[in-house]
Amino acid sequence: GNSVTQMEGPVTLSEEAFLTINCTYTATGYPSLFWYVQYPGEGLQLLLKATKADDKGSNKGFEATYRKETTSFHLEKGSVQVSDSAVYFCALTTDTGRRALTFGSGTRLQVQP
Amino acid sequence: DGGITQSPKYLFRKEGQNVTLSCEQNLNHDAMYWYRQDPGQGLRLIYYSQIVNDFQKGDIAEGYSVSREKKESFPLTVTSAQKNPTAFYLCASSILFARLEGTDTQYFGPGTRLTVL
Repeated sequence: GNSVTQMEGPVTLSEEAFLTINCTYTATGYPSLFWYVQYPGEGLQLLLKATKADDKGSNKGFEATYRKETTSFHLEKGSVQVSDSAVYFCALTTDTGRRALTFGSGTRLQVQP
Repeated sequence: DGGITQSPKYLFRKEGQNVTLSCEQNLNHDAMYWYRQDPGQGLRLIYYSQIVNDFQKGDIAEGYSVSREKKESFPLTVTSAQKNPTAFYLCASSILFARLEGTDTQYFGPGTRLTVL
């Protein structure tokens, strides 16, 4: 089956610090990989995605590279802001069957001024 | 303005009651999904539908029911058989077989928070 493992939070950083949130996965078939962000009391927003090996997804200064050899999709940002404080979810889907997302447990990021 | 709407934003249920959560999308998406989120956890799939008048159980379907009579709508009923229904419920939708995107990207509504009194 499919599974996603994320580093546990909370992750607490000072403004302008470098961010890494680790994500590894197991999947049958050829997964597409996603990062979603959730602000308090809201639904999930798509942050970035990658559909094949070595693809790099990027958005709003965040990046993640699909590494098939290490089955990883780590999220990075060079300089975080207070407004980046949220919960980040790594997820995958495959192109067969039910096509639903399999999620990691989420990582809470707290950025202090 | 295209998107996914969920209502109500907050819902309170008494023991033994059935309640229905609404999910509507005007994105012309084929597939719709219901997920449940518990504090500090990821999302778990309740039900999904890839075509009108058809739906399938997800990983935690017990105590829930759905219908898909229209492409735009996928309501979720939380029945009295669901023993621990207090949670945040999220609806999502996607195109199927989105070749130009390379994958079927799911987009989420704002969620409904259900509390059992």
